[in-house]
Amino acid sequence: QKEVEQNSGPLSVPEGAIASLNCTYSDRVSQSFFWYRQYSGKSPELIMSIYSNGDKEDGRFTAQLNKASQYVSLLIRDSQPSDSATYLCAVVTDSWGKFQFGAGTQVVVTP
Amino acid sequence: DGGITQSPKYLFRKEGQNVTLSCEQNLNHDAMYWYRQDPGQGLRLIYYSQIVNDFQKGDIAEGYSVSREKKESFPLTVTSAQKNPTAFYLCASSISPGRKGGTDTQYFGPGTRLTVL
Repeated sequence: QKEVEQNSGPLSVPEGAIASLNCTYSDRVSQSFFWYRQYSGKSPELIMSIYSNGDKEDGRFTAQLNKASQYVSLLIRDSQPSDSATYLCAVVTDSWGKFQFGAGTQVVVTP
Repeated sequence: DGGITQSPKYLFRKEGQNVTLSCEQNLNHDAMYWYRQDPGQGLRLIYYSQIVNDFQKGDIAEGYSVSREKKESFPLTVTSAQKNPTAFYLCASSISPGRKGGTDTQYFGPGTRLTVL
């Protein structure tokens, strides 16, 4: 069983709609959670971090964390063509801060 | 400008050659990391270093070596023992690993794409 799982997609989203991305993880003691965006051929860039249960909003992005159910999600509101990318979920799995990455979900925003 | 630089951007290796990928950061971060990314897969940890003159193997260290002689620099050598080195290599750094609240956030360099001829 993979430690961090994401649907690979592609997730096709009409422009202006909400994109919903999910990530589940297996290690119950995970404490830190991150979403990165990666454009094709480029390196990952941080979108958001979340550490506590609940929602965290930053602009058009909202991260949601539910530790009891072991999932973290990312909502992208008012999706734009520039949001077309692969979104990586990362979870810190041990005390020294090791990141475990999911394989990523490809998002395609269609005009 | 503060950031992480990696060089070269593209690297070609012949069979049996060792090659070294450069990673430099001027963010004053303590921790540095090397990842490998293959198509359709997530990032896999090769080596990490939490402090100068110390480094640890990650999940896929075989065929790779590193050094951490300076806080700013964490070069990765891909040796001839690595049988399938063609991949996208990413270097990252963080202020302080293992402490949540932002200092554990990892930031990435632009990457080096290595191809075996």
